[in-house]
Amino acid sequence: SQELEQSPQSLIVQEGKNLTINCTSSKTLYGLYWYKQKYGEGLIFLMMLQKGGEEKSHEKITAKLDEKKQQSSLHITASQPSHAGIYLCGAPGNYGGATNKLIFGTGTLLAVQP
Amino acid sequence: EPEVTQTPSHQVTQMGQEVILRCVPISNHLYFYWYRQILGQKVEFLVSFYNNEISEKSEIFDDQFSVERPDGSNFTLKIRSTKLEDSAMYFCASSDYGQPQHFGDGTRLSIL
Repeated sequence: SQELEQSPQSLIVQEGKNLTINCTSSKTLYGLYWYKQKYGEGLIFLMMLQKGGEEKSHEKITAKLDEKKQQSSLHITASQPSHAGIYLCGAPGNYGGATNKLIFGTGTLLAVQP
Repeated sequence: EPEVTQTPSHQVTQMGQEVILRCVPISNHLYFYWYRQILGQKVEFLVSFYNNEISEKSEIFDDQFSVERPDGSNFTLKIRSTKLEDSAMYFCASSDYGQPQHFGDGTRLSIL
């Protein structure tokens, strides 16, 4: 079965610093989703990547899917306290589109110090 | 912006009792899901539902679990006889075809 491993497990950065979170899959990815979770709350959709080499940005967050489609990275530029939370990568559990179940990564806990 | 809503936010139940978790998916979505997250662990898929039937379920989703779409707006997860290990955060999600899944804020289920 597919496994998603995230690194680092946790991260503390000073406000204004850049950071990168990685998500590595044991199998080829047929799509990769990034979500953010605040403690005790639901998952907020950030971005969806589908093609090898694809890169998307929203505000100060950029996500990339590598050409081989086995790894994705999430990069935050000039981090702010509002970026704090748990970042989860998710991938379709079966070959196909977003209507399939999602397999989630282990999560990365981000703290941003003012 | 439309959102998935879940009730209750927190449910405390005695072991062996039945519990029903409720969800109102985004109105024009056709695909519905339940996931759970045991404290400190990954978010795990339970079941997906489309066209009034289960399309896929995980090993976790045994005979004690059932889902229903009783009307045009609600989507429920029932656990017939709860166990201590059912204690978790349960998330409902919905999506349109080919689109990302959108999650509710979850129901924290505590089994005593």
